[in-house]
This record gives sequence, structure tokens and C-alpha cells, in this order.
Amino acid sequence: GESVGLHLPTLSVQEGDNSIINCAYSNSASDYFIWYKQESGKGPQFIIDIRSNMDKRQGQRVTVLLNKTVKHLSLQIAATQPGDSAVYFCAEARGSYKLIFGSGTRLLVRP
Amino acid sequence: DADVTQTPRNRITKTGKRIMLECSQTKGHDRMYWYRQDPGLGLQLIYYSFDVKDINKGEISDGYSVSRQAQAKFSLSLESAIPNQTALYFCATSDTRTSGAQETQYFGPGTRLLVL
Repeated sequence: GESVGLHLPTLSVQEGDNSIINCAYSNSASDYFIWYKQESGKGPQFIIDIRSNMDKRQGQRVTVLLNKTVKHLSLQIAATQPGDSAVYFCAEARGSYKLIFGSGTRLLVRP
Repeated sequence: DADVTQTPRNRITKTGKRIMLECSQTKGHDRMYWYRQDPGLGLQLIYYSFDVKDINKGEISDGYSVSRQAQAKFSLSLESAIPNQTALYFCATSDTRTSGAQETQYFGPGTRLLVL
């Protein structure tokens, strides 16, 4: 069936280290992917997106990598900070409006 | 996102009661959405609206109804609340006029609903 999933439910990293959050998807027809950050008590916040005609996109301290061969998406956060602690969701866009969300990975940043 | 507001932020109700959750946006976006989030899970789409006269069911619309009173307002109603509707509810908006066919959705702060 179709799904957007995550490899690790919780990721613990040392402050200053780089974080890598992974996501698998199963629908090869999906053509747009988004990473959201959700802090406790808040709604999901857009971080970065990538279209299927790209394999890498960079933002401020964040990079998204897309491997269409193995249907894998990752979010890399450089120099992880305490404020990065949150749950991170990948979402897969199918068509122009529908987002399918994964269950999320909790990122814990150790001081 | 402060441009998308939801009221109330928290609500406790009893089984069988009718309740309404409100969403307002000042972003000027044409599309609005209602999602449900259960603990440890991702978001599931309940209803979405492409404009005031266009309402569509999402994945889990049973037990819910919506009203798009204006471009900026989209409300979600639970006609007869049941305990398994206890969840976090998020409103979101998107703008197809500037971003083309693929759009980013911007979320409100959420409403925490408890049905006893």
C-alpha cells in the first residue's frame, strides 16, 4: 500500500552535531515533498520542500536529500541547537492539494 | 503561524454534544484544510475547501462537517461528539494563486479536544 514512514521514532544528538532524519515513501508517482517541524503545543511549521526533479535542496542550516531510486527522503540539520528539539514530519504531496504525513521523528538535543 | 488562528485552543466536552472549532486566516489564501492528529501519529485530512463554494471530504470525514463562511473562515463541527474524536485538530491554509500546482500548507496552533 501507499505510505510515508519514518525509520526512527526518536533521535538523540549532541548539541553542535549534525542531525539526519529519514523518511521512506512508497508511491513513486509522488512529485513533491515537504519537511515540517512541530514544537510542543504548536502547529507544524514549514521547514523546506523539494520537488521530484531535484535530488538536493539547501536552506539555512537544513538540507533535504531525495533518492528516488530507493524512495527515500532525508533532512539534515547542521550544528544542531537546543531550539531544534521538536517532532519532524515528512509529507508527500500527491496531486495539487493532498499531503500524506508520516508519523514523525522526535529530535532530542543533548546539551 | 500567527496568520492562522484557531479557537478555542482547548475544549472539553461530553459524548453526544455538538461542538464547533473555528479557524481564521489573514494570509489571503484561497484553500483551507482541517486535519486531525492523534498521539504519535501524523496528520489526517478531514475536509478541505478550495474556495467558499467548494467543500470536499478528506480521508476521515465521517462524524464531522464543515462550513466555509468566507474566504478567511473555515469551521469544523462535530455533530455528536464521541470519545474517539479526542485529538488535536489543526487548520491549515495554502495559496494556489502564487505557488502554482504544488503548494505549501501553513498551519494554525491547533485545538486540543477531549471528549468524555
